[in-house]
Amino acid sequence: NAGVMQNPRHLVRRRGQEARLRCSPMKGHSHVYWYRQLPEEGLKFMVYLQKENIIDESGMPKERFSAEFPKEGPSILRIQQVVRGDSAAYFCASSPPSGIGELFFGEGSRLTVL
Amino acid sequence: AQKITQTQPGMFVQEKEAVTLDCTYDTSDPSYGLFWYKQPSSGEMIFLIYQGSYDQQNATEGRYSLNFQKARKSANLVISASQLGDSAMYFCAMREGPDFNKFYFGSGTKLNVKP
Repeated sequence: NAGVMQNPRHLVRRRGQEARLRCSPMKGHSHVYWYRQLPEEGLKFMVYLQKENIIDESGMPKERFSAEFPKEGPSILRIQQVVRGDSAAYFCASSPPSGIGELFFGEGSRLTVL
Repeated sequence: AQKITQTQPGMFVQEKEAVTLDCTYDTSDPSYGLFWYKQPSSGEMIFLIYQGSYDQQNATEGRYSLNFQKARKSANLVISASQLGDSAMYFCAMREGPDFNKFYFGSGTKLNVKP
């Protein structure tokens, strides 16, 4: 049973370009969370999605950031017109529909904006 | 107000000794869950231990135990017999909300185990 898969693991973009980060949750998990982690800091909640539905996007910046979780395929976190301050590790996590509700994390995507 | 507070940015412990990492939380929900995660230098997030708000006994998982003091809203992680491989960042987290869909993390504690 594969874990949460994120790709790319590392992404380098120049200012103004777009970054797309992908996340495939664990099999049987229908809930996906995205978090951002700046160096030496904790995880900041960005968005919580179910299939075809954004449940909570209260942590998403109002501009340039968007997320989706289509019926088929991975969840996508999209950052348009990236700036240096977007450089961070972006973690995706999924949780099962029952149980204690722990989050299972991917290995993260590290975005560097030049 | 911070939902999860970890007041120790960094901690040192001697190998084979026990160490306590502090965590306090803030919620008005009667039903919530408390979690600890470990993040080694390689970056992945590893789930360690869970405590439910209605659990009467403190959670234990191997060398990890959770000192749950509900009235004080604290959920400290105790690592017994520290090992060099325990050196990592440790995050306390809480899950709450009407659909249990809010998941908050603290700022973390960096633990260094000295040989």
